Amino acid sequence: EDKVVQSPLSLVVHEGDTVTLNCSYEVTNFRSLLWYKQEKKAPTFLFMLTSSGIEKKSGRLSSILDKKELFSILNITATQTGDSAVYLCAVGSNDYKLSFGAGTTVTVRA
Amino acid sequence: DGGITQSPKYLFRKEGQNVTLSCEQNLNHDAMYWYRQDPGQGLRLIYYSQIVNDFQKGDIAEGYSVSREKKESFPLTVTSAQKNPTAFYLCASSYYRGTEAFFGQGTRLTVV
Repeated sequence: EDKVVQSPLSLVVHEGDTVTLNCSYEVTNFRSLLWYKQEKKAPTFLFMLTSSGIEKKSGRLSSILDKKELFSILNITATQTGDSAVYLCAVGSNDYKLSFGAGTTVTVRA
Repeated sequence: DGGITQSPKYLFRKEGQNVTLSCEQNLNHDAMYWYRQDPGQGLRLIYYSQIVNDFQKGDIAEGYSVSREKKESFPLTVTSAQKNPTAFYLCASSYYRGTEAFFGQGTRLTVV
């Protein structure tokens, strides 16, 4: 069975702190790893990673994939209260299956 | 506008009744997905479909059924066999395998 494990499950930080979220996976026929942010209802897409060692960046968020060790990290620098959300990691397979982890709840306090 | 539409947003059902959740997309995406989300948890895959008239069970398919008669539609039926149906249900679609999935706004189902 495919597994996607995120850690930590939750964390609380203060504005300006840096956050590192982890995602490890065991998936047959790996194709891609995706990160999403969920604030209320529909998750919104952040990054898609397919190659090891290539960092993707968008503003204060960045992510990297290690296909040898089967994990990815998502970094958020200079956190703001608007970064408070659930961050979801998903792994896509060649058979179209898209499996999610349990998510990490990030709370940023002013 | 292109997107995914789920209806209804809120649904109440009596125990023992079947109920169907609607999901329609006009993005011309091949793949469609149904997920269940319980409070404080991630998304668990119920069913997915990569093409019309074909679909696969996800990790928690028991008590659910789907159909894919049209490319743009992927309805989910929650049957009376589902023991704990109260949850938030999300539908998603993607253009190709492993690519970005777009989500609908979800349906919150409550069994009363």
